[in-house]
Amino acid sequence: SAVISQKPSRDICQRGTSLTIQCQVDSQVTMMFWYRQQPGQSLTLIATANQGSEATYESGFVIDKFPISRPNLTFSTLTVSNMSPEDSSIYLCSVEFQGRSYEQYFGPGTRLTVT
Amino acid sequence: AQSVAQPEDQVNVAEGNPLTVKCTYSVSGNPYLFWYVQYPNRGLQFLLKYITGDNLVKGSYGFEAEFNKSQTSFHLKKPSALVSDSALYFCAVFLLDTGRRALTFGSGTRLQVQP
Repeated sequence: SAVISQKPSRDICQRGTSLTIQCQVDSQVTMMFWYRQQPGQSLTLIATANQGSEATYESGFVIDKFPISRPNLTFSTLTVSNMSPEDSSIYLCSVEFQGRSYEQYFGPGTRLTVT
Repeated sequence: AQSVAQPEDQVNVAEGNPLTVKCTYSVSGNPYLFWYVQYPNRGLQFLLKYITGDNLVKGSYGFEAEFNKSQTSFHLKKPSALVSDSALYFCAVFLLDTGRRALTFGSGTRLQVQP
């Protein structure tokens, strides 16, 4: 089965700094997404990462705060910019594999704490 | 707008007993429905999905879910609970009609199976 990895697995950052999270899949995927899970809460979609073009952001999320890249079919990054304590969350990437339409498979997540 | 509701924050069941985790949805078209499970310190895992066809869908680890259009429900079930089933369960929905793959998640239900 395919492996979805995220780096870093966790980090503690100071407010005002930025962190880039990487998502790598070991096989080609059709779609990639980024979600946020705030402490004790459910998951919220941040954006759909589009290969070679700008990501599609959900309401309440903007490119300046959460720039996303997807240079190829198997890799994407999410940057959390100018962080504040309210950004403390688990950030998860998810993917759809070819032949398994509509099923999203999630990476292990990146636990971010902003102090 | 689409939404899912998980009316129970926690469900307690004895090992060996049947379990049900409830989910109701609200969409203005044909829903695609999913169940995910999140074990402690592990990522979100896909359990099962309903797209079309048979209202009873079978998934991983012996779980199944029944789609009920008249009651707009998609309850997760298992005939005999295991202690290892203790985890956080999320129901999710998206509308293909919108052309977007954005999963909307419920608030989650914590399942506690007692030995």
